[in-house]
Amino acid sequence: DAGVIQSPRHEVTEMGQEVTLRCKPISGHNSLFWYRQTMMRGLELLIYFNNNVPIDDSGMPEDRFSAKMPNASFSTLKIQPSEPRDSAVYFCASAKVRANTGELFFGEGSRLTVL
Amino acid sequence: SQQGEEDPQALSIQEGENATMNCSYKTSINNLQWYRQNSGRGLVHLILIRSNEREKHSGRLRVTLDTSKKSSSLLITASRAADTASYFCATDSGGSNYKLTFGKGTLLTVNP
Repeated sequence: DAGVIQSPRHEVTEMGQEVTLRCKPISGHNSLFWYRQTMMRGLELLIYFNNNVPIDDSGMPEDRFSAKMPNASFSTLKIQPSEPRDSAVYFCASAKVRANTGELFFGEGSRLTVL
Repeated sequence: SQQGEEDPQALSIQEGENATMNCSYKTSINNLQWYRQNSGRGLVHLILIRSNEREKHSGRLRVTLDTSKKSSSLLITASRAADTASYFCATDSGGSNYKLTFGKGTLLTVNP
């Protein structure tokens, strides 16, 4: 399997622009997670999906952030409008969660810089 | 908010030495996992220990869990330069939602 695939790997944009990050999870996994990593705050869980349904979005910073999972093979995280404080590395991870446990497989991340 | 807190924040050792990293957490857990992250890469799962287990081994890795002290340790024996990375503990509290919360990590540097 190719693993979790994220795109773009790097994105530089200007404040106010819309940003869309993409993720293809590992085939057969039933859960998908979006994390954000910064030096100051470490790894923060933004949202996770189980069987394509958003289960917990309490980590989404504000209404400027939205995430979708239209099918088992694809998810997007959108920021509109973007702000400099959104600069971070955004990770997507997938897992086969059974009996409330499972190891996460991470993508290589999307490094976002908002100028 | 972070559930796990790793200690120390940074650790520098010589190749061949053992490296011990600690993790403390605040609330009851279902499982505790350790992950590794090389610079500029995604996290990679190392080992999972369940709340009813006290010790687990995987190759050069040894993980212990003390639920009474709400702490875990990761021991890497006979370290190699390739072990240089950040190491994170992650916990989930069980329940209907599977939510894995990560600490801020320990940066391990193994000098050749």
